[in-house]
Amino acid sequence: GAGVSQTPSNKVTEKGKYVELRCDPISGHTALYWYRQSLGQGPEFLIYFQGTGAADDSGLPNDRFFAVRPEGSVSTLKIQRTERGDSAVYLCASSLGRQGYNEQFFGPGTRLTVL
Amino acid sequence: SQQGEEDPQALSIQEGENATMNCSYKTSINNLQWYRQNSGRGLVHLILIRSNEREKHSGRLRVTLDTSKKSSSLLITASRAADTASYFCATPTNMDTGRRALTFGSGTRLQVQP
Repeated sequence: GAGVSQTPSNKVTEKGKYVELRCDPISGHTALYWYRQSLGQGPEFLIYFQGTGAADDSGLPNDRFFAVRPEGSVSTLKIQRTERGDSAVYLCASSLGRQGYNEQFFGPGTRLTVL
Repeated sequence: SQQGEEDPQALSIQEGENATMNCSYKTSINNLQWYRQNSGRGLVHLILIRSNEREKHSGRLRVTLDTSKKSSSLLITASRAADTASYFCATPTNMDTGRRALTFGSGTRLQVQP
């Protein structure tokens, strides 16, 4: 596609439930990033993939959060036993993944609401 | 605190005026980027300035970078109502480890009154 796409655009779930958020990066971009953004704040880094492997998962807040990118393209962010504090906009970005200057292209985000 | 911090937090101007936003950061960088966000969704990359550059232009945007002061500014000239958005600076999280993640500030919320 022309840009990064994310589905669903909105997700409402109940506390304790499991959710999956999907990201489809720009074709040819080897690097993929997940960020989380709370109201009035800038995005906070969660995890970065280079190809199929998670090159940096230091931003994941705890072991309820997990992400995969099995074929080096589409990625899924998985959240187990959701909590109200997980409510945020989850942003995905991709970049060419070359050394040096990583201009990132963002998707529209998934707004997650945990009731 | 975050690597990049924007100043001011909010800015309201009249259409046609110039808007200046500032960003400070803490660690070594090889580049600094500015992003724009409308209505809390979908950041759009505006401009990237490298650490060996002092100034860069793109249309009505002018970005400066002072690595000695660890600061950058974004100037939007002849603002339009459509420029109303939040603007974020972003820097590489950790150059020493080569981490690719970006660290964003809290942003400047710009309101351009028609």
